[in-house]
Amino acid sequence: DTGVSQDPRHKITKRGQNVTFRCDPISEHNRLYWYRQTLGQGPEFLTYFQNEAQLEKSRLLSDRFSAERPKGSFSTLEIQRTEQGDSAMYLCASTPESSYNEQFFGPGTRLTVL
Amino acid sequence: DAKTTQPPSMDCAEGRAANLPCNHSTISGNEYVYWYRQIHSQGPQYIIHGLKNNETNEMASLIITEDRKSSTLILPHATLRDTAVYYCIVRVHNNAGNMLTFGGGTRLMVKP
Repeated sequence: DTGVSQDPRHKITKRGQNVTFRCDPISEHNRLYWYRQTLGQGPEFLTYFQNEAQLEKSRLLSDRFSAERPKGSFSTLEIQRTEQGDSAMYLCASTPESSYNEQFFGPGTRLTVL
Repeated sequence: DAKTTQPPSMDCAEGRAANLPCNHSTISGNEYVYWYRQIHSQGPQYIIHGLKNNETNEMASLIITEDRKSSTLILPHATLRDTAVYYCIVRVHNNAGNMLTFGGGTRLMVKP
């Protein structure tokens, strides 16, 4: 399968714990995006990378959130000291830099903070 | 990016055309209209986009009014697998982030 993959698909954690999610984009896609989606709402942009450079971060990305894409391939999103309000679906998408058209989304990681 | 307004939900009979409207009255001349859909428990999926001309692909047709203030996504023969939330998005094409700004979308229920 050559689509965007995310791991894990589901994560349940206790409040205050740290969690890390991984996204593997489509190979040769140099733009990678993270979005967050809460129940009943559309996805909201969090941050994006062009190759290994993080070029933009939403105000939604608090200091407890950090994202990396060290080699310009896979990316990780870490949430420190999780709160119940962090419960959401975290979606990753990728696209070639030259394309304005289609962002390819992964299946998402559903986070539940107890 | 301009805001969009969509009905929160719609029903459609299987095999019939599904016509999903979107209002984008503040759209700028350089903003494109995009449609994505999200089937339950999956990530969003690109459907189609256009600037001012009507567009058609294997999934759907996009009809944009002459004044570009509204558009309609048409699924010509809806199937049960088309049950999803459909998002209308307007955005420019530039070298900035090109992130997508999703609204609430329309929840389409295709019924047998």
